Amino acid sequence: GQNIDQPTEMTATEGAIVQINCTYQTSGFNGLFWYQQHAGEAPTFLSYNVLDGLEEKGRFSSFLSRSKGYSYLLLKELQMKDSASYLCAIMDSNYQLIWGAGTKLIIKP
Amino acid sequence: SQTIHQWPATLVQPVGSPLSLECTVEGTSNPNLYWYRQAAGRGLQLLFYSVGIGQISSEVPQNLSASRPQDRQFILSSKKLLLSDSGFYLCAWSVPTTDYNEQFFGPGTRLTVL
Repeated sequence: GQNIDQPTEMTATEGAIVQINCTYQTSGFNGLFWYQQHAGEAPTFLSYNVLDGLEEKGRFSSFLSRSKGYSYLLLKELQMKDSASYLCAIMDSNYQLIWGAGTKLIIKP
Repeated sequence: SQTIHQWPATLVQPVGSPLSLECTVEGTSNPNLYWYRQAAGRGLQLLFYSVGIGQISSEVPQNLSASRPQDRQFILSSKKLLLSDSGFYLCAWSVPTTDYNEQFFGPGTRLTVL
């Protein structure tokens, strides 16, 4: 079967660093996406990993280990506007996206 | 640049009434198109996707249907809504390649069935 696991909710402090984990078991793997979704809005693209290692983009970084079926999204210098849900999605053997339930991140001052 | 439109933004419908949600994409040709539903506090559930005019794949059996009458138009319909159809409906598009599937989402339609 196909399974993507993310924590349901996390809380962090403004200015701090937070790591959101995603583990997966899917029928094939052709890449992993992270999306950000603010409440009541559509998801927006953050990052894409297809090879092992770390991809850095400003305050956000995404890491992938294909052998472990594991990824994380690292957010640095947290700002209040980072309060949102973060969705992990796997592109499977049919090149379709399989979505995790998302992690709601709450930032406190 | 590409843009994607959805309407209406919000909708309140009685149980048993019909539904029609429309999605259009501008600035690209032959996109892959998707309909998702997101229940409150849940992940995205793929309902339908289309790789071309008249080509619809259904992922979840339900009382919903989809049509693609034009290259950049995708319509989600129902003849009789159920309470369980309430949710946030998102249309998305991606470029028609097979090795990278970044999806771009429309603003969504929030449907409440009473």
